[in-house]
Amino acid sequence: GAVVSQHPSRVICKSGTSVKIECRSLDFQATTMFWYRQFPKKSLMLMATSNEGSKATYEQGVEKDKFLINHASLTLSTLTVTSAHPEDSSFYICSALLVLGDEQFFGPGTRLTVL
Amino acid sequence: QKEVEQNSGPLSVPEGAIASLNCTYSDRGSQSFFWYRQYSGKSPELIMSIYSNGDKEDGRFTAQLNKASQYVSLLIRDSQPSDSATYLCAVTSGANSKLTFGKGITLSVRP
Repeated sequence: GAVVSQHPSRVICKSGTSVKIECRSLDFQATTMFWYRQFPKKSLMLMATSNEGSKATYEQGVEKDKFLINHASLTLSTLTVTSAHPEDSSFYICSALLVLGDEQFFGPGTRLTVL
Repeated sequence: QKEVEQNSGPLSVPEGAIASLNCTYSDRGSQSFFWYRQYSGKSPELIMSIYSNGDKEDGRFTAQLNKASQYVSLLIRDSQPSDSATYLCAVTSGANSKLTFGKGITLSVRP
């Protein structure tokens, strides 16, 4: 099946720092990737759609200047949480779209803790 | 507002039984339908996709789609304790492939 990796799997940082999360599709090219966040016992919340070679499309209420997305290649999208605050602590999950079949495959997620 | 509804659960079944998970969706133009499994603390894992009316079987899993009733279900035969997880129904509509998720139902398989 399609494999998506994320790095790092877990990160702890101080308030005010920036954190970069990488999402890679390992065995297929993904022109579209998605970024989600999930709070404990809550549903996945779509943050943005990342399109290779173009600007990301953000969902309503998501600050594009705080959550910077770059999709520079067909296998890599990055999410940078800038000036992180404790309320940004969450489980961040990416997915990559396999166009044939319209299926999204999820990465293992990154657990961010901001102190 | 596109909505996907799942029974709130939790659902508990004995080992070896059939678990039946149900989902309804509001957008009649929905095109693709998925079931994801999510273990606690992990990310969702795609277990079934279905696109046309009828049944689709993969091992112990069977997805059923009825577009007229806007209903999609997942049957898990011979349930195992390892099937204990939250099951998410998801639907896409339109060209952007965005998933609309249900809230999920937690399945517990009792040994």
